[in-house]
Amino acid sequence: KNQVEQSPQSLIILEGKNCTLQCNYTVSPFSNLRWYKQDTGRGPVSLTIMTFSENTKSNGRYTATLDADTKQSSLHITASQLSDSASYICVVSPWSGAGSYQLTFGKGTKLSVIP
Amino acid sequence: NAGVTQTPKFRVLKTGQSMTLLCAQDMNHEYMYWYRQDPGMGLRLIHYSVGEGTTAKGEVPDGYNVSRLKKQNFLLGLESAAPSQTSVYFCASSYGIALHFGNGTRLTVT
Repeated sequence: KNQVEQSPQSLIILEGKNCTLQCNYTVSPFSNLRWYKQDTGRGPVSLTIMTFSENTKSNGRYTATLDADTKQSSLHITASQLSDSASYICVVSPWSGAGSYQLTFGKGTKLSVIP
Repeated sequence: NAGVTQTPKFRVLKTGQSMTLLCAQDMNHEYMYWYRQDPGMGLRLIHYSVGEGTTAKGEVPDGYNVSRLKKQNFLLGLESAAPSQTSVYFCASSYGIALHFGNGTRLTVT
């Protein structure tokens, strides 16, 4: 069964500090891996999408890495801000074509950034 | 450009009542989806549509029906609500591989 496991479940960090969130997956075949940010009471918003051949992708202070051999990804947040407080969801797709109806979602990591 | 808009934002139903959740997108996307999000679980796909007039079952379709009469709208219906359908419902649309989500409908069934 396809699975996406995220760790830690929750994390509290001080404003200005860095942090790294982990994602392990067993989805096969593999096409792409996505990281989403979900603010409380809002829908998920895409941060990065990485295909099989990409190792690193950045979006501002967010940097995602992918190791397709070990089936692991990480999301690194640099110089955290209070607005980074949110849930971060890892999503894996086995399908490279149009349509996103075969996605496997992780349960998310809840990040709290405190002053 | 509003993106994906869901109505209503909140709703409380009694067991056995029916309701329809509306999703509208203004991005001319072919694909639309309904997900539910429950505490401690990842998002789960209820139904999806690959174009106007088409619908298909996702991972957890039981107890729900959908319709896509117009390309920009995707409706999710609950014919006889049950407490197990208490959840946050998200609609999404896509063109290519990028998913765009609405801000959800929080439904409580008592």
